[in-house]
Amino acid sequence: EDQVTQSPEALRLQEGESSSLNCSYTVSGLRGLFWYRQDPGKGPEFLFTLYSAGEEKEKERLKATLTKKESFLHITAPKPEDSATYLCAVQANGQNFVFGPGTRLSVLP
Amino acid sequence: DTEVTQTPKHLVMGMTNKKSLKCEQHMGHRAMYWYKQKAKKPPELMFVYSYEKLSINESVPSRFSPECPNSSLLNLHLHALQPEDSALYLCASSQGREKLFFGSGTQLSVL
Repeated sequence: EDQVTQSPEALRLQEGESSSLNCSYTVSGLRGLFWYRQDPGKGPEFLFTLYSAGEEKEKERLKATLTKKESFLHITAPKPEDSATYLCAVQANGQNFVFGPGTRLSVLP
Repeated sequence: DTEVTQTPKHLVMGMTNKKSLKCEQHMGHRAMYWYKQKAKKPPELMFVYSYEKLSINESVPSRFSPECPNSSLLNLHLHALQPEDSALYLCASSQGREKLFFGSGTQLSVL
């Protein structure tokens, strides 16, 4: 069975304090790994797609990396507006998207 | 146009009411999805339509009835819901291996 776990469950950072979020997965044939940002009461907003081990994507203060078993979302010098829940999802051979439980990030000014 | 539009944004209904949630996309995506999300939980798949045909029903109770009138529209008909059905209902679309595009959701409260 395809599974996705994320750690930590919640993370509090001071503004400017860099850190990383982890997404570990067990799937039969990875077709893609996706990172989303979700604000309370809103739909998830797409951030990155990663397709193969070694791939990296960057956008502003965020950088996503992928290995054969996990992905990291690195946040460099975060700002309070980066506070949100970050969701990881995988698409496997079955083609359904499997979501992890998310990491709730709070960035304090 | 890279948007998925959901209406209404908020809905309050009684347990005997009948209501419908609507979703629209004009990106030419052939797969459309309904997800249910409870607070502090990830989205939970309910239904998938592929080329306007229901391809996945994740054992959802019959009080939820999906409909795909055409390739751009997706409806979710609600009848005799329970208070535990209160949640954020998300519509999404995708094209094959590509990412899911989500709408902003309908926040449903069942009284």
